[in-house]
Amino acid sequence: KQEVTQIPAALSVPEGENLVLNCSFTDSAIYNLQWFRQDPGKGLTSLLLIQSSQREQTSGRLNASLDKSSGRSTLYIAASQPGDSATYLCAVRQADYKLSFGAGTTVTVRA
Amino acid sequence: DADVTQTPRNRITKTGKRIMLECSQTKGHDRMYWYRQDPGLGLRLIYYSFDVKDINKGEISDGYSVSRQAQAKFSLSLESAIPNQTALYFCATSALGHYEQYFGPGTRLTVT
Repeated sequence: KQEVTQIPAALSVPEGENLVLNCSFTDSAIYNLQWFRQDPGKGLTSLLLIQSSQREQTSGRLNASLDKSSGRSTLYIAASQPGDSATYLCAVRQADYKLSFGAGTTVTVRA
Repeated sequence: DADVTQTPRNRITKTGKRIMLECSQTKGHDRMYWYRQDPGLGLRLIYYSFDVKDINKGEISDGYSVSRQAQAKFSLSLESAIPNQTALYFCATSALGHYEQYFGPGTRLTVT
């Protein structure tokens, strides 16, 4: 059974600092890995999707890396802003339909 | 308007009551999913449907049932609610052949 772990569970940084969020998974036989942002009352928003054959994906200030063999992914958010405060979830896909989620890292960016 | 909507957004009910959570989507996707989220845990899959006639159990389906009334509508029912079903429930959709799932805003359910 796939286990997805996100450490730390919570993170507080001053505005402008770079954020580093970690995700690890136990079964490396994955199709892809997806990072989501969760805001209270607004559901989940997909940030980045990395296919199993890729090493990284970038979108604006966000960069996600994937090391499938070691079962790890890292989400980097450059020059954090108060608007980046949210919970960030990673999820890995093994079968066509099933996503296995981590519990998330709750980020607070202090102005 | 949101592509994936859920009703109600918040619900408080008593133990033993039957309750239905509804999900509608305007994305034209064939696939729909129900998840629950508990504090400190990741989202867990309850049921999923690949089309109107194809409904499958997820990892935590006990105590739940679903109905796919149309391509755009997927309902989750708790036949006899119990307190440990208190959670945040999400509906999601995806298109055939595409991996990305799109989530609704969630329904916060409290069973007292």
